[in-house]
Amino acid sequence: QQQVKQSPQSLIVQKGGISIINCAYENTAFDYFPWYQQFPGKGPALLIAIRPDVSEKKEGRFTISFNKSAKQFSLHIMDSQPGDSATYFCAASGLGSTLGRLYFGRGTQLTVWP
Amino acid sequence: DTAVSQTPKYLVTQMGNDKSIKCEQNLGHDTMYWYKQDSKKFLKIMFSYNNKELIINETVPNRFSPKSPDKAHLNLHINSLELGDSAVYFCASSHPPTLSGNTIYFGEGSWLTVV
Repeated sequence: QQQVKQSPQSLIVQKGGISIINCAYENTAFDYFPWYQQFPGKGPALLIAIRPDVSEKKEGRFTISFNKSAKQFSLHIMDSQPGDSATYFCAASGLGSTLGRLYFGRGTQLTVWP
Repeated sequence: DTAVSQTPKYLVTQMGNDKSIKCEQNLGHDTMYWYKQDSKKFLKIMFSYNNKELIINETVPNRFSPKSPDKAHLNLHINSLELGDSAVYFCASSHPPTLSGNTIYFGEGSWLTVV
């Protein structure tokens, strides 16, 4: 059972455009929602994360929007650059039985054209 | 210095063989993990150890046996390899998950191909 659903599977954006990746979850035990970035041949690396007590978190060109009632969160990459081309994973973890586990979405392959 | 390092990076082996992947972290973390990334890039947790003690064991075949000689090392031994074991295996580490939200640091992965 997929705990975190992610879309789109792939995304092509022109340089300078906005990239938007969406995720949804069902488990109300989740209370931590990170986004990981993975380049080919490398491991995933934390990009930005949010807790459900805030609706938005911004770090540079990267913003997470969080909608607790809809159980959805999204990553916005402003002014997308070719160097942002990578696979992006949303994830979730929480307390109880989900403690210590990161549940990943299936990833979005982002390509930014120069 | 590499924070989470794993060896080998690439491994090609025949069905039925036994192989091991080694992992070391120099971040001073107490908790280490093994994640598996399949051919469709789906990442899933396999095991987690906290200070050498197994705390998470997902529904992984018992051909997979993790071993933690100390809290800086977590090795993965796989017996009787099958074609379906072909994947990228990531070692990772973090501070103990007493609260959710600990950043998990991943190694660069070990690409296992079973032929």
